[in-house]
Amino acid sequence: DQQVKQNSPSLSVQEGRISILNCDYTNSMFDYFLWYKKYPAEGPTFLISISSIKDKNEDGRFTVFLNKSAKHLSLHIVPSQPGDSAVYFCAAKGQGAQKLVFGQGTRLTINP
Amino acid sequence: DSGVTQTPKHLITATGQRVTLRCSPRSGDLSVYWYQQSLDQGLQFLIQYYNGEERAKGNILERFSAQQFPDLHSELNLSSLELGDSALYFCASSIQVNTEAFFGQGTRLTVV
Repeated sequence: DQQVKQNSPSLSVQEGRISILNCDYTNSMFDYFLWYKKYPAEGPTFLISISSIKDKNEDGRFTVFLNKSAKHLSLHIVPSQPGDSAVYFCAAKGQGAQKLVFGQGTRLTINP
Repeated sequence: DSGVTQTPKHLITATGQRVTLRCSPRSGDLSVYWYQQSLDQGLQFLIQYYNGEERAKGNILERFSAQQFPDLHSELNLSSLELGDSALYFCASSIQVNTEAFFGQGTRLTVV
């Protein structure tokens, strides 16, 4: 039962352009969403989060958008930089829930 | 550096053996989570402890067990190991259950 889905296993973007990573969820009880970035041989690093009471959260080059009616969130990175090349995981949790439910990840490659 | 320390970084062991993975959470964090990442898979939640008490269980096998000690460090015990247990095991910690979790660098377990 995949409650959080990242349907694109990989994405390739040119340096300087916008990277858009997508995530869908099925559980309407989720109310807190996070994005993590993971480099090889390292643990996931927290990037940005959004609560279900918002539809947008911005932090520098990173913006997360939440569309509750569509049960969809996206992460925008602009401009994309070579150091952004990594695997990005979307995660979600419900109110009072103890665990984060992760998607399968999307491997982002930024080409010079 | 997330502040979460996991030891050992790598572990190679034979089928049928038992191993213990150790996690020291960030200073002040009361909540510890364990996740498993198999080859090219997402992060699967195993178990969570909060201030020494088990709070949530995920897809954790009966051969696996965990505990959190009074000094808040945690150990994940894996016994009767099988080839399929080969994976990256991540520990994460957070101050409260509704805040972002910070991950350690993981322990790569190889069962031969």
